[in-house]
Amino acid sequence: KAGVTQTPRYLIKTRGQQVTLSCSPISGHRSVSWYQQTPGQGLQFLFEYFSETQRNKGNFPGRFSGRQFSNSRSEMNVSTLELGDSALYLCASSYQDMNTEAFFGQGTRLTVV
Amino acid sequence: DQQVKQNSPSLSVQEGRISILNCDYTNSMFDYFLWYKKYPAEGPTFLISISSIKDKNEDGRFTVFLNKSAKHLSLHIVPSQPGDSAVYFCAHHQGGKLIFGQGTELSVKP
Repeated sequence: KAGVTQTPRYLIKTRGQQVTLSCSPISGHRSVSWYQQTPGQGLQFLFEYFSETQRNKGNFPGRFSGRQFSNSRSEMNVSTLELGDSALYLCASSYQDMNTEAFFGQGTRLTVV
Repeated sequence: DQQVKQNSPSLSVQEGRISILNCDYTNSMFDYFLWYKKYPAEGPTFLISISSIKDKNEDGRFTVFLNKSAKHLSLHIVPSQPGDSAVYFCAHHQGGKLIFGQGTELSVKP
């Protein structure tokens, strides 16, 4: 069974630009969640999608958004990039929304210059 | 909101000995906890999980213990190997959202 796939692995963007990251969950998994990891803040929850609906949202500004498609693939978008958005962005998928294991992709390393 | 805390930022253990990583939580609802291992610049790797209907779950060298009265869980790795050196995170899975502790960096010395 293929794992969670995130693309691209690395990305360099300029302040003010926007970026779209992609996540393909494990086949059969319907819940996809996104996390940001920075050295100072650890692993922080961004949002979670289940059956194309955003059900949970973390404490991030509206510049961070996402969506999920009918095949459970998900994208997250960050608009008007700031230097502080430089981070490792991680996607996790699970079969259902709770009480199950969640599996992570390798992450996308975003650098904003 | 559920909080998950790992109060030890680092732990150093000799190869072959036991590693014990600790985690405390604040919510007393029905809970499901997970442990992850993480290398720099990579995604966390799932290790083992436990639900609050159990006190213990074991998988090979990894055992997780849950003490509900103390709201405390621990991960035991026996025997520890140099390849276990990584950052370990405990997490609570709640409604599709994982709430992570700050992580403990384990160093296993040969």
